[in-house]
Amino acid sequence: AQSVAQPEDQVNVAEGNPLTVKCTYSVSGNPYLFWYVQYPNRGLQFLLKYITGDNLVKGSYGFEAEFNKSQTSFHLKKPSALVSDSALYFCAVRDPSGGSYIPTFGRGTSLIVHP
Amino acid sequence: DAGITQSPRYKITETGRQVTLMCHQTWSHSYMFWYRQDLGHGLRLIYYSAAADITDKGEVPDGYVVSRSKTENFPLTLESATRSQTSVYFCASSEYLLSGANVLTFGAGSRLTVL
Repeated sequence: AQSVAQPEDQVNVAEGNPLTVKCTYSVSGNPYLFWYVQYPNRGLQFLLKYITGDNLVKGSYGFEAEFNKSQTSFHLKKPSALVSDSALYFCAVRDPSGGSYIPTFGRGTSLIVHP
Repeated sequence: DAGITQSPRYKITETGRQVTLMCHQTWSHSYMFWYRQDLGHGLRLIYYSAAADITDKGEVPDGYVVSRSKTENFPLTLESATRSQTSVYFCASSEYLLSGANVLTFGAGSRLTVL
């Protein structure tokens, strides 16, 4: 079985400060991990993914995420937050050894960047 | 225009009525999905499809019906709408990748209100 948890419903950060949105996962094998972002009244958009290789993955809009196998985490980070980064962020996981092509999404974390 | 389109974007209906939400994608992606998004629940998978004429139930299929006679279309029907089906519905598609690292592309959503 595959599962993912986003322990924070909301993250508040001041513009210009670094941000972190947390994600932990559970799979039986090696995970495929994804981050998506949802702006108000829009569908989800893909940000970045980890499949294999370098643990630090860079994605769109200056975001990056670090895969940590020992902590089963895939936290989303950005060195300097912008007000326009305010959105809902979803982490997703897929266990390729499970035979399913369907990812499991977390409940989402609302990121609020204050001017 | 290329992409994934959902219609209608907004719909208000009454309890007991049949409602169909349309989803059309122009990429000939193999996989298509229907999710509902509700506060406190994140994204929940309703139905999914691996190809034309192949559909499967997701996490919350009760009260919904899908069909996929053509690769590009994946309509979702609420046969007798209930108030608990008030939600925002997202259609998504993804191509088949041998690596399994497929990314979902989402439509803009259909906001359904059942009175």
